[in-house]
This record gives sequence, structure tokens and C-alpha cells, in this order.
Amino acid sequence: DADVTQTPRNRITKTGKRIMLECSQTKGHDRMYWYRQDPGLGLRLIYYSFDVKDINKGEISDGYSVSRQAQAKFSLSLESAIPNQTALYFCATSARDSPYEQYFGPGTRLTVT
Amino acid sequence: GIQVEQSPPDLILQEGANSTLRCNFSDSVNNLQWFHQNPWGQLINLFYIPSGTKQNGRLSATTVATERYSLLYISSSQTTDSGVYFCAVPSTGFQKLVFGTGTRLLVSP
Repeated sequence: DADVTQTPRNRITKTGKRIMLECSQTKGHDRMYWYRQDPGLGLRLIYYSFDVKDINKGEISDGYSVSRQAQAKFSLSLESAIPNQTALYFCATSARDSPYEQYFGPGTRLTVT
Repeated sequence: GIQVEQSPPDLILQEGANSTLRCNFSDSVNNLQWFHQNPWGQLINLFYIPSGTKQNGRLSATTVATERYSLLYISSSQTTDSGVYFCAVPSTGFQKLVFGTGTRLLVSP
């Protein structure tokens, strides 16, 4: 079984809809991250969490919110989806003592029409 | 912030050929990862290599941190090696990884 899983893997939604992307991990890592990937822009950090009670904004957090329900679960919500949020979304995890050795989930391809 | 450049940007190989991919970074780092993004978009960890050399099957990587570069070697390439290869280094500003520009590899049969 994969260590970092994401659901759904693909989603098409309409402008204005609320959508949640979920991430679960079995690696036992404290830290979890949400990135988005856009063609030509690489990966950009949306939010990151050091533990259940420590959540931080990344470089592009506007329009997104997160919830760390447990050490193993980190969800990303788009409160009112807009077309420029169409992207490939990745969840990642890392251990506290090796924060930059990150492991990525399989990605969620989101299309907002 | 730190800049990460990769070369070549595109590479086409025949199956069985060898290749070297390069990653240059603008500041000193104490961590570096190589990833393979396959045609389905998945990011696969290849190496965590802050310095020195590591090997895993047909792949190996070398990082020379003092000279600010890392190399990824692919030997006896296979069609399943196709995809985009990224190196990534830390950005202390946001506790995130900064990804390089990527090398797009196509291995033809």
C-alpha cells in the first residue's frame, strides 16, 4: 500500500463550488504539506503543518483552507472554486528530524470549469 | 531566494543509452532530493542526497555541495524512465522545497 494517499485522484467541479481534497499517510511523519503544480510554474506551497495544532500558510494560501484532523490526515478545501485553481495538487510529508526529505502523494488533478 | 537550474531541459534517448542530468543551485544547501514525475503526474522519490554519491539499480546520483551542483546518472535507459526529472532543495523561508526547472526525458524503443 502507498505511504501517502490522496483522494480523489481526479475531480471536475464548477466555479463557486466548495471542494475538499484529502490526504492520509502511514509513514508516521509529523509534518504535512499541500503544494500545487502549474505548467511552467513548478510546485508552490499552499499550507504546511508541523503537527495537529500547528498550521501555517505557504506562499499561495489565498482561496484555500486546511484542516489537520489527526497526525495522519491533512485536508485542503477550496471554499469557492475558481478556474485559476485548476492544477495538480500534491500532499507531502516529512519527519521532524528530516524536514526537507519529503514524500509526495500521487496527486489530485483538479479542473474548475 | 535560491535558484535551481537543470540541464538539459529536454532529452531524447534510444532505449539502452546512458544519460547525465545536471542540477545547479545558487546558494549552499545541506539537502537535495531528486524526483521522477512519471507521465501520470506522480512524483517518485529517487534520491535524498545532501552530498556524496548514491546508487539504486540503474540510477545513481552525486552531489558536490561545495560546488553547488548535483548529477543524476541513468544507465541502460528504458521506456519507463520517460517523464520529467526534478531536483529540489530547501527554502528556509517557507519550510518548503524549491524545485528545479526540470529535465523532460523521452526514451524511445
